[in-house]
Amino acid sequence: AQTVTQSQPEMSVQEAETVTLSCTYDTSESDYYLFWYKQPPSRQMILVIRQEAYKQQNATENRFSVNFQKAAKSFSLKISDSQLGDAAMYFCAYHSGYALNFGKGTSLLVTP
Amino acid sequence: NAGVMQNPRHLVRRRGQEARLRCSPMKGHSHVYWYRQLPEEGLKFMVYLQKENIIDESGMPKERFSAEFPKEGPSILRIQQVVRGDSAAYFCASSIMGSPLHFGNGTRLTVT
Repeated sequence: AQTVTQSQPEMSVQEAETVTLSCTYDTSESDYYLFWYKQPPSRQMILVIRQEAYKQQNATENRFSVNFQKAAKSFSLKISDSQLGDAAMYFCAYHSGYALNFGKGTSLLVTP
Repeated sequence: NAGVMQNPRHLVRRRGQEARLRCSPMKGHSHVYWYRQLPEEGLKFMVYLQKENIIDESGMPKERFSAEFPKEGPSILRIQQVVRGDSAAYFCASSIMGSPLHFGNGTRLTVT
């Protein structure tokens, strides 16, 4: 079974600064997808960024980027120029086949 | 294009009652997934359905829980004889093959 580990239950960042959220996963497969989802207090699950395992280039979406290290099975999320609206729970997820496996999440606090 | 619609948003049931959670997938999506989120946890996969078929229910408790996705109408997650441990947020997601999952806003079930 694939497992996803987020070792940081909580993180804090000042507005306009950069923060990195960690994620590691365990799998024996070579073809899979990795995702970061954001869950604000509204409870909605919002897709932040997606990475295909066969792509070496790290995915980027505006202020969000990932550092994908396939050999190390590491998939960290970097948020640049943090904004107050970035405050939320962030979940890393592994996808192979059809089921998404989620980590336990990291709560991100953004301070003015 | 409306997103994944879940209702009700909040549901309160007494122990022993039945809970029915509804999910209308995005237009054109034929794959539906149900996830459960316990407090302080990530989402846990429960069941994956296509129209009129259960593809994988490996995450579903063996008793009291059932799911369907009929030819017409929404997908239904049914929990019979609810217990306090069933209190959680239940999320539905939909997709077409090969695309990321789109999540609804969830139903928060409270068992009193």
